[in-house]
Amino acid sequence: GQQVMQIPQYQHVQEGEDFTTYCNSSTTLSNIQWYKQRPGGHPVFLIQLVKSGEVKKQKRLTFQFGEAKKNSSLHITATQTTDVGTYFCAGRGGSNYKLTFGKGTLLTVNP
Amino acid sequence: ETGVTQTPRHLVMGMTNKKSLKCEQHLGHNAMYWYKQSAKKPLELMFVYNFKEQTENNSVPSRFSPECPNSSHLFLHLHTLQPEDSALYLCASSPEGTYGGAYEQYFGPGTRLTVT
Repeated sequence: GQQVMQIPQYQHVQEGEDFTTYCNSSTTLSNIQWYKQRPGGHPVFLIQLVKSGEVKKQKRLTFQFGEAKKNSSLHITATQTTDVGTYFCAGRGGSNYKLTFGKGTLLTVNP
Repeated sequence: ETGVTQTPRHLVMGMTNKKSLKCEQHLGHNAMYWYKQSAKKPLELMFVYNFKEQTENNSVPSRFSPECPNSSHLFLHLHTLQPEDSALYLCASSPEGTYGGAYEQYFGPGTRLTVT
């Protein structure tokens, strides 16, 4: 079945440093979504990427979808303490139209 | 405020108990989902309902029984659970009528379940 791998599992940074999490799928995706879950909270939708090579920005967050539509990344510039949480990618595609979530990357930020 | 509510927020139950989790969405969506979130595991999709019809049962044990009386309400009935079923159970909804994940999902706050 479709698998979505996400690395790293954990990332600790100093406030102001950059952060990147990567998502890789075993199959070609029709789209990929990113979610953020604050500690003790629930996943909240951030963005969806659909096109090959697509790049979208939300303030300090940059999302990319690979040319082959099998990988994606989320980059945060100059992290802040408010960025703390787990970032999940979720992909849909292949013969299985389920939305498959990665394990997530837990980001902690030292002020 | 996500527009998706879940009750109870916390639940402790014994292995012989029967309990139900409730989810309600106020967003006018057509699809509703149950997910299980355990420590160090990905979000696991359990059930999907579109227009009140179950379209996905992701090999979930029969001790979990979903019910969707209308597009706004979703229940998860629990009976004879095991300690390994302890987890955060999340409900979500999305606008689409056909399941496919083309739209974003809106999650409720979850029910933290502990099975003793």
